[in-house]
Amino acid sequence: GQSLEQPSEVTAVEGAIVQINCTYQTSGFYGLSWYQQHDGGAPTFLSYNGLDGLEETGRFSSFLSRSDSYGYLLLQELQMKDSASYFCAVNRDDKIIFGKGTRLHILP
Amino acid sequence: TGVTQSPTHLIKTRGQQVTLSCSPISGHRSVSWYQQTPGQGLQFLFEYFSETQRNKGNFPGRFSGRQFSNSRSEMNVSTLELGDSALYLCATRSFPGVRDTQYFGPGTRLTVL
Repeated sequence: GQSLEQPSEVTAVEGAIVQINCTYQTSGFYGLSWYQQHDGGAPTFLSYNGLDGLEETGRFSSFLSRSDSYGYLLLQELQMKDSASYFCAVNRDDKIIFGKGTRLHILP
Repeated sequence: TGVTQSPTHLIKTRGQQVTLSCSPISGHRSVSWYQQTPGQGLQFLFEYFSETQRNKGNFPGRFSGRQFSNSRSEMNVSTLELGDSALYLCATRSFPGVRDTQYFGPGTRLTVL
């Protein structure tokens, strides 16, 4: 089978750094993506890792290690507007498979 | 303009059928459909490209779709069940490819009573 595992919830403090992990039991996929979804909104694309290593986009960074079947999304300088759900996803056989999402709570 | 979906909300009863619509970003020819529920997250239904279904998820045959020559897509659910209550999202991209950057519409909230 194929699945992606993420923590269901993470809590962090405004201004801090938080890491959301994604582990997977699937092979032969092309890359790992991350999406953000605010309550009542549509998922929006954040980042993509086609190769192992770190990709940085402003306050957000994403990492992939295929040998460890592991990736993460790193959010720095947390702001209240970052309160949302975050999904990792892989493209395998041209089907995009999503994790069940991590709800990020930010405390003032 | 972004991806648009209609209607935004829909209430149906068991046994009825429903048709949802998705209009992609101009130039996008690939349209995928997802079902989102609190328990199961985002689940892939199917993807259409150039009016042909390219891929299909693990949903029963009650779920079907089609794509028109202008890339607009519709999905249909027949014989509705209570468990079909969900947010239905479509996502579009220029064409199917390795880098899976998709753009999601706002979704249609379907409630089955």
